[in-house]
Amino acid sequence: DSGVTQTPKHLITATGQRVTLRCSPRSGDLSVYWYQQSLDQGLQFLIHYYNGEERAKGNILERFSAQQFPDLHSELNLSSLELGDSALYFCASSVRMEGEQFFGPGTRLTVL
Amino acid sequence: EDQVTQSPEALRLQEGESSSLNCSYTVSGLRGLFWYRQDPGKGPEFLFTLYSAGEEKEKERLKATLTKKESFLHITAPKPEDSATYLCARGGGSNYKLTFGKGTLLTVNP
Repeated sequence: DSGVTQTPKHLITATGQRVTLRCSPRSGDLSVYWYQQSLDQGLQFLIHYYNGEERAKGNILERFSAQQFPDLHSELNLSSLELGDSALYFCASSVRMEGEQFFGPGTRLTVL
Repeated sequence: EDQVTQSPEALRLQEGESSSLNCSYTVSGLRGLFWYRQDPGKGPEFLFTLYSAGEEKEKERLKATLTKKESFLHITAPKPEDSATYLCARGGGSNYKLTFGKGTLLTVNP
């Protein structure tokens, strides 16, 4: 158990809908990262927050957004969902802005 | 662009048969080389961080090593419970992200 929690574990929804994925980092970690994992693309970096501020964006679609709250938990919002958004979404946390990251169990999103 | 290439894509071993997994990466601006283990449907589990050429780290049957342009994960006398996908990731660049390879799927048969 890494200490990073993610909810929900599974999410099944329809195209065009909007969902919110939630992540709580390890106690004391200030950085939260979001990754998407699909079979053909592997683990892809989406976005990084450090102590409430957005620090970097990766391959994140404009339909996706995230935020980190004062208690350091983070939410990833996915809107206007398409079939291709079906994937595993992982949150990771770290103490600093770089170094080893510890991953949560993931949220499996299925868009029908 | 940061790149990480892992080989082989899949490896099947008999229990006790030692082997190595390879990870090659973009050298420029490297700030750490990371190894993770991932079981099906689960989050990656952190194994090792390496920062300098010549550095080695060990954990049970696993040993990670780093050269100037490659990293190796050596598995000594593997057991079936070592079966998993092993991911290598490169740290660096201006955004602190990890760039992951596509992984090596290791299967250890009893």
